[in-house]
Amino acid sequence: TQLLEQSPQFLSIQEGENLTVYCNSSSVFSSLQWYRQEPGEGPVLLVTVVTGGEVKKLKRLTFQFGDARKDSSLHITAAQPGDTGLYLCAGARGSYKLIFGSGTRLLVRP
Amino acid sequence: GAVVSQHPSRVICKSGTSVKIECRSLDFQATTMFWYRQFPKQSLMLMATSNEGSKATYEQGVEKDKFLINHASLTLSTLTVTSAHPEDSSFYICSARTSGAKETQYFGPGTRLLVL
Repeated sequence: TQLLEQSPQFLSIQEGENLTVYCNSSSVFSSLQWYRQEPGEGPVLLVTVVTGGEVKKLKRLTFQFGDARKDSSLHITAAQPGDTGLYLCAGARGSYKLIFGSGTRLLVRP
Repeated sequence: GAVVSQHPSRVICKSGTSVKIECRSLDFQATTMFWYRQFPKQSLMLMATSNEGSKATYEQGVEKDKFLINHASLTLSTLTVTSAHPEDSSFYICSARTSGAKETQYFGPGTRLLVL
């Protein structure tokens, strides 16, 4: 059973389009992190959200943490081919163990 | 950001042999490191938490006698896959947790293991 469900699992879009990836759970997390992973490499941290309702922006990426700290979203504006990769959300609990979501594979076509 | 390295990056071994993977935090000390396994087109699954100077904590379903973890110093944790079998073939990734006001986990580049 996946504690963190991501949707969609796979997304193929044209360059310039917008997209949103969702990360949902029935559990509360003390913080939630988003990572991007390229094939054959380790995940790279994009952002950490801690407060319920928090919104963080990283250039064309906007991250939101749900009010109840059970869900999060990642919105990408004007996607570029360089955004292609596997996007992973990960929830942290008190022990700092990360529970990773099921992943969203994004392909941005030029 | 902080740098975490893994060695080797790729390894091919015969079934029944043991393989050791190293995880090093290069510019910070990590009392806690984590080992993950990732199968193709899947997410990361936490295998165990490696604690410096004490026994590792394994996740449910992970055999501690098969996946030996040693965290002998504040910058090095090792994962040994004993008596490897083809089903152990996977991408193994470690992470190291920084301490202080902004605790963050930094991930290594991963080690691809292929057991023939």
